[in-house]
Amino acid sequence: AAGVIQSPRHLIKEKRETATLKCYPIPRHDTVYWYQQGPGQDPQFLISFYEKMQSDKGSIPDRFSAQQFSDYHSELNMSSLELGDSALYFCASSSPGGLLKAFFGQGTRLTVV
Amino acid sequence: QKEVEQNSGPLSVPEGAIASLNCTYSDRVSQSFFWYRQYSGKSPELIMSIYSNGDKEDGRFTAQLNKASQYVSLLIRDSQPSDSATYLCAVNRYSSASKIIFGSGTRLSIRP
Repeated sequence: AAGVIQSPRHLIKEKRETATLKCYPIPRHDTVYWYQQGPGQDPQFLISFYEKMQSDKGSIPDRFSAQQFSDYHSELNMSSLELGDSALYFCASSSPGGLLKAFFGQGTRLTVV
Repeated sequence: QKEVEQNSGPLSVPEGAIASLNCTYSDRVSQSFFWYRQYSGKSPELIMSIYSNGDKEDGRFTAQLNKASQYVSLLIRDSQPSDSATYLCAVNRYSSASKIIFGSGTRLSIRP
């Protein structure tokens, strides 16, 4: 079965650079979530989209932005990167009326040096 | 106070025994409850979902929900070394339908 696809899997950026993470949800899933997970921490909710509209917003820095496109894929744009942005970034998707069972992608490991 | 609370562990259980993981949540209007398993450096994997009071069984896993006590648990029977992982409790807040909140996770270690 198709799963959530994230790219790239690994990314190394320097401070103050920009990064773009991509997420391709499971086909026919209409909701996408983004989470950030630091070492030894639980996933922190960043932002979600439902039917290409922003649905909810969590602890996402103003330096970050995201959108969901017409084909339902989503991108997380991160600017002015800081060392503290180094983390695993997960995307998840859930299906319409699916009681919000969210399935996660493999994640993107971002390292800021 | 975090919205979803779990004991961080580690919880050590002998192989073949029952592992019991607990979670409490603060928002009474929470509607959906999930257990995810996460191996180090990997993504969370959904293993159980529960929406109504009572027990829900799936193989070696049983989820229990008590909305009056705002409590959800996960039992793992016949624990195997491969069950060693961090278990994340997650809840959906009805007021924010597309925002699933995670607990800090409980590290489970199954000793042979």
